[in-house]
Amino acid sequence: AQKVTQAQTEISVVEKEDVTLDCVYETRDTTYYLFWYKQPPSGELVFLIRRNSFDEQNEISGRYSWNFQKSTSSFNFTITASQVVDSAVYFCALSEARTGGSYIPTFGRGTSLIVHP
Amino acid sequence: DADVTQTPRNRITKTGKRIMLECSQTKGHDRMYWYRQDPGLGLRLIYYSFDVKDINKGEISDGYSVSRQAQAKFSLSLESAIPNQTALYFCATSDLQTVPGELFFGEGSRLTVL
Repeated sequence: AQKVTQAQTEISVVEKEDVTLDCVYETRDTTYYLFWYKQPPSGELVFLIRRNSFDEQNEISGRYSWNFQKSTSSFNFTITASQVVDSAVYFCALSEARTGGSYIPTFGRGTSLIVHP
Repeated sequence: DADVTQTPRNRITKTGKRIMLECSQTKGHDRMYWYRQDPGLGLRLIYYSFDVKDINKGEISDGYSVSRQAQAKFSLSLESAIPNQTALYFCATSDLQTVPGELFFGEGSRLTVL
């Protein structure tokens, strides 16, 4: 079973619409970290946000906001008033302790967001 | 200049050829990783290394090998490339002292095996 599930393979919206990208994770650890990365058409991976399992506060950064809910094992990402430049593939990732205490991220399959003008 | 540099950025090769993808970093991080990206499959871990003497297999290591020549260098080799190894490869680093699991990525190496 996937540890990180991004059920939305592709989302298409029109500019200025709000859009939410879903991320559901699975872990038995009490200490873990969650991340979102953005991959624009140019191909590089850009870090957006991290959250540890002890901090359930939602976060807002400009048009971006993140909703972390441990009760539903979800870490969803919302873009308000989307813009064409938001078009990218977005990856959610989970980092949990492995053997020896190391943390190595496991990525979801990504959600491709297409914002039309 | 990029903190994590991958070479080559693009490579086209033929089945059976030996290919090496190189990664170097100036971040001073001790941990390095190789991931592979395929459309619809996300990023999958091939190998990782926590220091020069430490090499570990990831979830899809078959057909690949790695070498950690120095703290700053981590190379991925395909001894005999096959078409289903056509993918976008990413090198990444992380620092034990910072947030566990937060990765810093190179720009990617696109490999095509004909």
